[in-house]
Amino acid sequence: KAGVTQTPRYLIKTRGQQVTLSCSPISGHRSVSWYQQTPGQGLQFLFEYFSETQRNKGNFPGRFSGRQFSNSRSEMNVSTLELGDSALYLCASGVFGDSFGYTFGSGTRLTVV
Amino acid sequence: AQSVTQLGSHVSVSEGALVLLRCNYSSSVPPYLFWYVQYPNQGLQLLLKYTSAATLVKGINGFEAEFKKSETSFHLTKPSAHMSDAAEYFCAVEGSSNTGKLIFGQGTTLQVKP
Repeated sequence: KAGVTQTPRYLIKTRGQQVTLSCSPISGHRSVSWYQQTPGQGLQFLFEYFSETQRNKGNFPGRFSGRQFSNSRSEMNVSTLELGDSALYLCASGVFGDSFGYTFGSGTRLTVV
Repeated sequence: AQSVTQLGSHVSVSEGALVLLRCNYSSSVPPYLFWYVQYPNQGLQLLLKYTSAATLVKGINGFEAEFKKSETSFHLTKPSAHMSDAAEYFCAVEGSSNTGKLIFGQGTTLQVKP
């Protein structure tokens, strides 16, 4: 059974640019969550999608957005990149109504220069 | 609102010694609690989860955790540390509504000395 796949694995962008990260959940998982991990702030929840609808959103500026497709794959977009957006972005998938826990991908390491 | 506090950002033990990583939570509803482990340059791997079925939860790699409501704690233990246990450990809480939103503690780095 394939795990959660995040692409790309590493990314370097220039301040002011925008970036799109992709997450393919485990087959059958319809919930996809995104997290930002930095040394200073730790792991912070960005947003969660279920059946193409955003159910929850964390406390991040509007530059951070996401969407989910009918096949449950999800993308997150960050516009007008700032140096502080450099982080490991993690995606997790799960099954709604089931507390088996959430399976995380290996993450996308974004560096903004 | 839920929150998690992990006591001790760094814990060092000798190989073969008891591992104890502390986690206290705050939740206005019966919580779902998790422990995850992260190895360098990798994502998070689920060690175990508490979902009210049993207060003592057994996970992978010999880890277990006990839910104590009176102490609002969910400490992670392992009887005998192995070198391969060296990693960062995160405690997380989720509200009972299966929102897909986990609130993480700041993490505890476990060092295992030979």
